Amino acid sequence: DQQVKQNSPSLSVQEGRISILNCDYTNSMFDYFLWYKKYPAEGPTFLISISSIKDKNEDGRFTVFLNKSAKHLSLHIVPSQPGDSAVYFCAASPNSGYALNFGKGTSLLVTP
Amino acid sequence: SQTIHQWPATLVQPVGSPLSLECTVEGTSNPNLYWYRQAAGRGLQLLFYSVGIGQISSEVPQNLSASRPQDRQFILSSKKLLLSDSGFYLCAWSGGLGGNTIYFGEGSWLTVV
Repeated sequence: DQQVKQNSPSLSVQEGRISILNCDYTNSMFDYFLWYKKYPAEGPTFLISISSIKDKNEDGRFTVFLNKSAKHLSLHIVPSQPGDSAVYFCAASPNSGYALNFGKGTSLLVTP
Repeated sequence: SQTIHQWPATLVQPVGSPLSLECTVEGTSNPNLYWYRQAAGRGLQLLFYSVGIGQISSEVPQNLSASRPQDRQFILSSKKLLLSDSGFYLCAWSGGLGGNTIYFGEGSWLTVV
């Protein structure tokens, strides 16, 4: 049962434009959300997170938005750069739990 | 600072052979430790997690087992590998109960032939 869903397996964006990656979740107990970036044959690296008490968190070019009523979060990358090309995983956990539940990932390609 | 290492990075094993992947964490004590697997097109699947020495929780029934013989050491094993065990295995750690970021190792590619 997939509790975290990334419905777009791939996304292509031109360099300098905005990339928007989306994620939906079904478990209302989730209250901590993260985005990871992964290059082929490497472990995922932590990018940005947000807790349920916020609806927005910003770190440089990366902003995560959380809509709890819709059980939806998104990652915005502005401006997109070719080095951002990677697979992005959305993850979520409840504060009472340990492990993260991951989506299947969205492959982002930023073209020059 | 904390670091996590897992090995070997790649291995090719015949069906029916045993498996041992090792993972160690440095720079922290009493971490939560995890084994994830990334199979093709299936995202990251949690296999095992451990909150302390000798404490292992399994998330999915499978052909694999995990052990935590020391505080910062986590081992993934199998007595007899199946073709379906092929994948990219990731060890990870976090600092406490819930609401914490998980940090991943470099990953291990396993191909069962």
